[in-house]
This record gives sequence, structure tokens and C-alpha cells, in this order.
Amino acid sequence: DGGITQSPKYLFRKEGQNVTLSCEQNLNHDAMYWYRQDPGQGLRLIYYSQIVNDFQKGDIAEGYSVSREKKESFPLTVTSAQKNPTAFYLCATHPDSSGNTIYFGEGSWLTVV
Amino acid sequence: SQQGEEDPQALSIQEGENATMNCSYKTSINNLQWYRQNSGRGLVHLILIRSNEREKHSGRLRVTLDTSKKSSSLLITASRAADTASYFCATALSGSARQLTFGSGTQLTVLP
Repeated sequence: DGGITQSPKYLFRKEGQNVTLSCEQNLNHDAMYWYRQDPGQGLRLIYYSQIVNDFQKGDIAEGYSVSREKKESFPLTVTSAQKNPTAFYLCATHPDSSGNTIYFGEGSWLTVV
Repeated sequence: SQQGEEDPQALSIQEGENATMNCSYKTSINNLQWYRQNSGRGLVHLILIRSNEREKHSGRLRVTLDTSKKSSSLLITASRAADTASYFCATALSGSARQLTFGSGTQLTVLP
């Protein structure tokens, strides 16, 4: 199956812990993104990467970190410095061709307990 | 502040009726897109309309764009219960997806 796989679907974090959300794609897309969505809200950009070994901060990068060692993978680490991490996290990819259409994974729910 | 804002925030209609959602934005755009999100799922792209286009159709979807009013509308005709979802507009300031900004969405409920 071609697409974007996010895991885990549900994750619980204790205060003070770092957690990593996985995003893998087999669409051969160059660009990958992480968005955060709070209940009843739109999406806010955390980090994005346009090529391997390069990534840029989005609008709300504080308390998050990413890596892009492979084209297929763009994991997001939610660090203990993120004070309000409970949210729905969405990974997306972009073929970097014409237009801006982006493709989303199914999301990961993170809850702080 | 968010570039695109949808109106209404929530909409409830009967199956078979038409649903209209609006999106307003603040600055000049390259294109505007509409996405759909089922509860707890990822977003799915529905339609893209460029700044030099006024109307586009895709199946039961009709999108209009009025750049003079900085607004867009999404019309879903002959709605079905399966259309129940949140609908988001996203504005693109340039040809890069980095410049894509999402609104807060309209929650559409279609009653059987």
C-alpha cells in the first residue's frame, strides 16, 4: 500500500518524558511536514523538511525536534520542554511538484498523563 | 493569526440538502484549497482553485473564489450522511507548501 504511515495512533506521556512519533512514507515525496491540531482548531506547522538532512522550524517549533536522515522518514520528538503537548499530530508529504496539494497521514493522538 | 477563517463554525443539514461553507482570508494568495477531515483522521485534499480562477467543479463539489472580496465558498450538493466531516480551507501564498495556512474549519453534520 502506498501512503503515509504514522505510529503509534495513541500515545500517553508522563510529564517530563520525551516521546517520538513516527512518520514513514513510500510516496517518494521530497517534502515532509509535521502539524499540530488542537480540538476544534486548524492545523499549525511545527517543522518541515524539503530534502534529506535538512529541516526548518515552522510556526510552533518550541519544545519539538525532528530529524530527516532518510527520505522516507521524518520522526517528531515531543520533548519535556513542550508545556502543553496534548494534541493530535499530523504528518504530511508534498511531492514538490506543481501546486501545493499535500498528503496527510492518519494522525497520532498524544495525551499527557 | 490564521490566514483563512471558515464560516459557519458548525452546520447541520438534512440529507439531500445542499451545504455551503465560506472561507475568508486576509492577504493575496497563489491558490486556495479545501480539505476534508473525518473525526480523528487525517485530512484529505478535495479541490484546489488558483487565484486566476473563479469557479471549479469536482463531482458534487463546487468551489468559487472571489479575490476582490478575499473569499471562497465550498458547495456540496445533494449531501449524504457520509459527507459528515470537518472541512478546512487552506490558503497558499506561493508555490511552496511551506506557505500553506489552514483555517479552523467548519464541522458539517448531515442528518439521515
